[in-house]
Amino acid sequence: KNQVEQSPQSLIILEGKNCTLQCNYTVSPFSNLRWYKQDTGRGPVSLTIMTFSENTKSNGRYTATLDADTKQSSLHITASQLSDSASYICVVNLLFGNTGKLIFGQGTTLQVKP
Amino acid sequence: ETGVTQTPRHLVMGMTNKKSLKCEQHLGHNAMYWYKQSAKKPLELMFVYNFKEQTENNSVPSRFSPECPNSSHLFLHLHTLQPEDSALYLCASSQVPGANNSPLHFGNGTRLTVT
Repeated sequence: KNQVEQSPQSLIILEGKNCTLQCNYTVSPFSNLRWYKQDTGRGPVSLTIMTFSENTKSNGRYTATLDADTKQSSLHITASQLSDSASYICVVNLLFGNTGKLIFGQGTTLQVKP
Repeated sequence: ETGVTQTPRHLVMGMTNKKSLKCEQHLGHNAMYWYKQSAKKPLELMFVYNFKEQTENNSVPSRFSPECPNSSHLFLHLHTLQPEDSALYLCASSQVPGANNSPLHFGNGTRLTVT
């Protein structure tokens, strides 16, 4: 069982609608949690990084939340656009040695339809 | 432009071939990484280099051989691969491995198909 679980596995929404992607993790202790966006045929691009003491961070229409007590994070996308169609990956940085260890979720594939 | 450039973008090779993947970063970062991305699976870390020194080898088979001649360049040499090695191979760089505000910057990957 992966230590970082994302849901749903895939999602289809209409352009202009909001959506929320979930990330549950069992990794502990951790230093930060990251969300990446990966367009088809491209590498992942960082959206947000939150330390364990932060509970929300925004990047334009993307807002990430973190509840370290329940070990849950969410990525909320507001007023979706066709260009939001991509895979969204949750990554937890496990405190490990001097450099940490990144634990990746399997991603949520979002499709925004006109 | 991502700042991390990978070549080639696509590669088809037979199981007896020898090929190399190349990665170059223009961000002044000190750490470079190779990841494997297979369909519907999380990214798998393969190798980490910090200041040109290999600091992590994540139990990768010896048919994959990394090389890091300097902090800006990273290679992955491939030989006698298996069909299950077909995947997207991503190179990444960061300022310092694992630091709190040091995101990974990924290249666009090499799509490898082993026939």
